[in-house]
Amino acid sequence: NAGVTQTPKFRILKIGQSMTLQCTQDMNHNYMYWYRQDPGMGLKLIYYSVGAGITDKGEVPNGYNVSRSTTEDFPLRLELAAPSQTSVYFCASSYPNGGTPPAQYFGPGTRLTVL
Amino acid sequence: QKEVEQDPGPLSVPEGAIVSLNCTYSNSAFQYFMWYRQYSRKGPELLMYTYSSGNKEDGRFTAQVDKSSKYISLFIRDSQPSDSATYLCAMSAAGNNRKLIWGLGTSLAVNP
Repeated sequence: NAGVTQTPKFRILKIGQSMTLQCTQDMNHNYMYWYRQDPGMGLKLIYYSVGAGITDKGEVPNGYNVSRSTTEDFPLRLELAAPSQTSVYFCASSYPNGGTPPAQYFGPGTRLTVL
Repeated sequence: QKEVEQDPGPLSVPEGAIVSLNCTYSNSAFQYFMWYRQYSRKGPELLMYTYSSGNKEDGRFTAQVDKSSKYISLFIRDSQPSDSATYLCAMSAAGNNRKLIWGLGTSLAVNP
């Protein structure tokens, strides 16, 4: 199993440009999450999904959008990129409820710079 | 007050030292307590988890939960340079769509 994969690894955007960060997991996990991590600020939840077709906002959703058309994929869309969106983005996935611990498994991250 | 507090450090210790990393929390509904390790420029990886109170040991690592004090610890025995990383605590209440509440992480350097 590849686990959670993310593309691209790095990206530089100009202010106002748009892009999609890709996330795929091959563990048949129902739950998926997008985080951003800034120095000294910890992990902030952007959006999450409990299954295909179901998404919800996290702590810092402004400026982002998500969709979940399949169990495997959970892309994150940035519209009109701003310097405040410069960050490292992590995708994670988790088993559904049913007696298992709510452990999340992370991808390698996408390092995004907006200039 | 944040739900989970974790001293960001940095913590610097000599090789072979015993390391103690800690988090405090305010939400008594938390039931799962996890420790993640994050190497530089990598994603967090699950190190250990504990359900409710008590201790759990895995090799050189021991996780402790004291629910009465709302305090959790991770001990690393015989620390190695390869243990140099950021350690994040995370906690979860029942339900809540399996969302985790994260500490800021403690940066650890083990010097040879």
